[in-house]
Order: sequence, then C-alpha cells, then structure tokens
Amino acid sequence: GEDVEQSLFLSVREGDSSVINCTYTDSSSTYLYWYKQEPGAGLQLLTYIFSNMDMKQDQRLTVLLNKKDKHLSLRIADTQTGDSAIYFCAETPSWGGGNKLTFGTGTQLKVEL
Amino acid sequence: GAGVSQSPSNKVTEKGKDVELRCDPISGHTALYWYRQSLGQGLEFLIYFQGNSAPDKSGLPSDRFSAERTGGSVSTLTIQRTQQEDSAVYLCASSLSVSGGHSTDTQYFGPGTRLTVL
Repeated sequence: GEDVEQSLFLSVREGDSSVINCTYTDSSSTYLYWYKQEPGAGLQLLTYIFSNMDMKQDQRLTVLLNKKDKHLSLRIADTQTGDSAIYFCAETPSWGGGNKLTFGTGTQLKVEL
Repeated sequence: GAGVSQSPSNKVTEKGKDVELRCDPISGHTALYWYRQSLGQGLEFLIYFQGNSAPDKSGLPSDRFSAERTGGSVSTLTIQRTQQEDSAVYLCASSLSVSGGHSTDTQYFGPGTRLTVL
C-alpha cells in the first residue's frame, strides 16, 4: 500500500528558507500536494505538482519532485512567523480509485524571531 | 457558501451514544470526501462520494461508521455506539469532479468537527 513519510519538526529563523521533505512509495502517484494546517483550522491547499514535472514555483514556494527517488520537497523562501504551521504532503494514485488522498505524517514548522 | 462548511465544530458525547456530523460541500462540487485526523493515526481517508456512483467505503474503520449524501450535496457521517478511540477531528473535503485533471480534482477542506468521546 501507499506510505508517505515526513520529518516531524523543523525550526527556522525568520527570513531564512525552510525546506520540508517528503518521501512516498506509490510510483503510480499522479498529483502530489502540499497542505498547510494552522492550529485549530482545517487544511489549506498550498500548491501541487503533477508527477511528470520536476519543479514548480509559486511566489515564495518552490516544489521539487524527484520521481526516481520518490522524494518531494517544499521550499519556503523568506520564512515568516505566519508560516508557522503543520505542513502535510499528500498523493493521489492514478489507478482510477477516486482521488482519495494519502497524507504524510505532517511536519511542524516553527519560525523563530 | 464560499467554502466547505461542517457542523458542529465541536461535539462531546458519552461512550455508546450515536453522533451525526454534517458536511456542506462547495456548491457544484460533485465529489465529497470524509477524512479523520487523530493523534495516533494521522490523517486517514474514510469514505468518498462521486456523483451518483456507489460510494467508496474502503476507509471506514468499522461497521459502526456510515455516511450518506442526499441529493448529491450535503453529507452526514454517522458513528453509532461511539468509543473513546473515535475521538478525532473529522474533516470533509469536496472537489469539482474526479477526472484526472488537477483543475477539477483538487480537494478543498472544511474546518472539521472535533469529536470527543468521554
């Protein structure tokens, strides 16, 4: 079955770049997503990448995908205190089983002044 | 409304009671999903509805869990004879459709219902 792994914690200083990593096992994944969850809130879609892409940039966010190694990363440039949250990567399969998401364990990002 | 809404936002119940959780998807979205977020299990898929097709119930943890989607819009997740291990945040999401294209398949999440079983 699918398995998605993330490191649990990341601490950075305000203004630095943050890099959150994710590994997955399902080679048939079509879309890979990054969601953000702030305390007491639902999941906010940040960005996504299609599996035939290597990189996607969206303002301060850069997503890198290494399909060979099944490794996904999210880089946040100029990290701000408002970026403190839990970040989840998620993937969907391509086998037509609907688009149910398999989520990673989540990485808690703490931004320090 | 502009987004997915869920009610109630918080629910406290006693072990053994039944509970119903409601989800209003984004208007026009044909696909609706339920997920559960708990400390021990992380975020797990529960059930998925797409149009008039039979729902995908493969993620439901036991037969105490069921869900309906009436009129292709509002959905209710029912948990019978609640147990303490059912305590979690139940998240609902909707997408325009399921077509294999990102523009229509992206899931938008509601704020969740926090269920506490005493």
